[in-house]
Amino acid sequence: AQRVTQPEKLLSVFKGAPVELKCNYSYSGSPELFWYVQYSRQRLQLLLRHISRESIKGFTADLNKGETSFHLKKPFAQEEDSAMYYCALFSGYSTLTFGKGTMLLVSP
Amino acid sequence: SQTIHQWPATLVQPVGSPLSLECTVEGTSNPNLYWYRQAAGRGLQLLFYSVGIGQISSEVPQNLSASRPQDRQFILSSKKLLLSDSGFYLCAWTPGQGVNTEAFFGQGTRLTVV
Repeated sequence: AQRVTQPEKLLSVFKGAPVELKCNYSYSGSPELFWYVQYSRQRLQLLLRHISRESIKGFTADLNKGETSFHLKKPFAQEEDSAMYYCALFSGYSTLTFGKGTMLLVSP
Repeated sequence: SQTIHQWPATLVQPVGSPLSLECTVEGTSNPNLYWYRQAAGRGLQLLFYSVGIGQISSEVPQNLSASRPQDRQFILSSKKLLLSDSGFYLCAWTPGQGVNTEAFFGQGTRLTVV
């Protein structure tokens, strides 16, 4: 069975500090991995996907198949980055599994 | 453009009463549809998903059921609510085909069972 693990419930940093939100997955097939974000009073929305190798709002995430990880990183956190972040895995059977989420708080 | 509607936004129901939450998608065909429950400390728990009309897969045993009477309609139901059914329920959809596709979420329903 597929599983997504986000070990940190809460990550608190100061503005300008680097951020790394951890995500590990368990899946026997070829994973499709995503990061979703939920800002206060907004809908859950896609932040980035591994296949695109993109940087969104300064965030990047690299798929490491050897370590089965897909950590989200940003070199300099901003206050507006404060939100709930979810790592997600999409399987070939159309199931979309989320981790428990990490709340990122960026203080001034 | 595609949109997803979920209602009601909030609901207060007594224990033992029935439940029906609706979710509809516009602007796409043959979507995959999902019901999640979002709880603090437990993240997004997948309850049901559907890849087509009448096709429902349940991820966790519980007091809830789901139905897909039409291609773009997904309903979450219960015959008798329990206190433990309280929570925040999210409907979502993904395209039925393609890889690395984005999921789109409804606004959610805050259910309080009293």
